Amino acid sequence: DIVVTQSPDSLAVSLGERATINCKSSQSVLYNSNNKNYLAWYQQKPGQPPKLLIYWASTRESGVPDRFSGSGSGTDFTLTISRLQAEDVAVYYCQQYYSTPFTFGGGTKVGIK
Amino acid sequence: QVQLVQSGAEVKKPGASVKVSCKASGYSLVAYYIHWVRQAPGQGLEWMGWINPNSGITTYAQKFQGRVTMTRDTSIDTAYMELSRLASDDTAMYYCARSDPADCGGDCYEDLWGQGTLVTVSS
Repeated sequence: DIVVTQSPDSLAVSLGERATINCKSSQSVLYNSNNKNYLAWYQQKPGQPPKLLIYWASTRESGVPDRFSGSGSGTDFTLTISRLQAEDVAVYYCQQYYSTPFTFGGGTKVGIK
Repeated sequence: QVQLVQSGAEVKKPGASVKVSCKASGYSLVAYYIHWVRQAPGQGLEWMGWINPNSGITTYAQKFQGRVTMTRDTSIDTAYMELSRLASDDTAMYYCARSDPADCGGDCYEDLWGQGTLVTVSS
């Protein structure tokens, strides 16, 4: 199974400042035949199901604010919230869908400093 | 409104089975794969498997092989996940979620999630 590791476990950022979350997979999730990274990011607020933010490592889902961006390739990925808003307080998960079982990182809890 | 609507909370005894439903609303069930993901209280997300509602073909995580069965009834746009031989560590919120086969087949991200069904296993 591909192990997905997120860091940090939690972080607190001032409103309007940048938040950066890292995600590392134990093997590459880049599929050479189509040059796509099989990596997604989700946001989960308390009492709610996860919500898709980013897929193919850097494609923003429709309706997601452009302050959310994804980057990286191969085994190392980053989710950046450029200007943190109060409504961004949540737990963020990365997921690899390169091979089954699809696996998630342990989550990063983002709060306000 | 496009959504996935899941059945209500369940309380089961150890050794029993549970069957959770997931109804597609606002779109045809057969147009998208359905995945099942669970989340133990205060914990992270765990992918269980998917079903192609069009063909009925399934893929399960090895961890759940022999204990999970994913089915569908296309006449009522509903998918099901049945988990047998329940134990206390199966206590979790169970989510269904869909993925678009046109984008990446079954090996895909989930773009729409149900509200979740809490399954509690307790003697």
